[in-house]
Amino acid sequence: DAKTTQPNSMESNEEEPVHLPCNHSTISGTDYIHWYRQLPSQGPEYVIHGLTSNVNNRMASLAIAEDRKSSTLILHRATLRDAAVYYCNIISNFGNEKLTFGTGTRLTIIP
Amino acid sequence: GAGVSQSPRYKVAKRGQDVALRCDPISGHVSLFWYQQALGQGPEFLTYFQNEAQLDKSGLPSDRFFAERPEGSVSTLKIQRTQQEDSAVYLCASSLIQNQPQHFGDGTRLSIL
Repeated sequence: DAKTTQPNSMESNEEEPVHLPCNHSTISGTDYIHWYRQLPSQGPEYVIHGLTSNVNNRMASLAIAEDRKSSTLILHRATLRDAAVYYCNIISNFGNEKLTFGTGTRLTIIP
Repeated sequence: GAGVSQSPRYKVAKRGQDVALRCDPISGHVSLFWYQQALGQGPEFLTYFQNEAQLDKSGLPSDRFFAERPEGSVSTLKIQRTQQEDSAVYLCASSLIQNQPQHFGDGTRLSIL
């Protein structure tokens, strides 16, 4: 399984954009990049996923580097409800799709 | 709602007791996963079902851990002769088909005294 590296923690001011980086230099050509987040006392929540092209949904945007060795989750306007641990996962297109979470990035939003 | 439901929400057991944790996935979801999350850590994979077939149990930490999904819907994770190191949050997730997002329950917090 491809390994991911994320900063342990980040802070952002409320209503400002947040860019959460993830390195996955051992990703293979058919691996998907999935982002989840986990609020306190809750299970992880799916945020977004992509393969090669940048992706947008109502929650966030995912920017994928051209060589696919890194990606960035973008929250366009952070709110206090976005304070969570964000996990970047690499999932093989073959096999059992299990998520390998790592330690994630703890995002703190400053009011 | 129609999300993944786990029960009980909290479970306290004495060391050596057996416990059973239940997961009700989203109706129609083919894939079902169990994860274990220790305090302050990310979830770690335990086992995976596709319908009733257990296709991967490589993450189960010992033969005291057993999971089943006999009819391809509800799943049960059983831990026999519990030990203190089994204390964790046990998360269940389901997905519709391969490579679709996983939907998680809020977990069962297991405390072994």
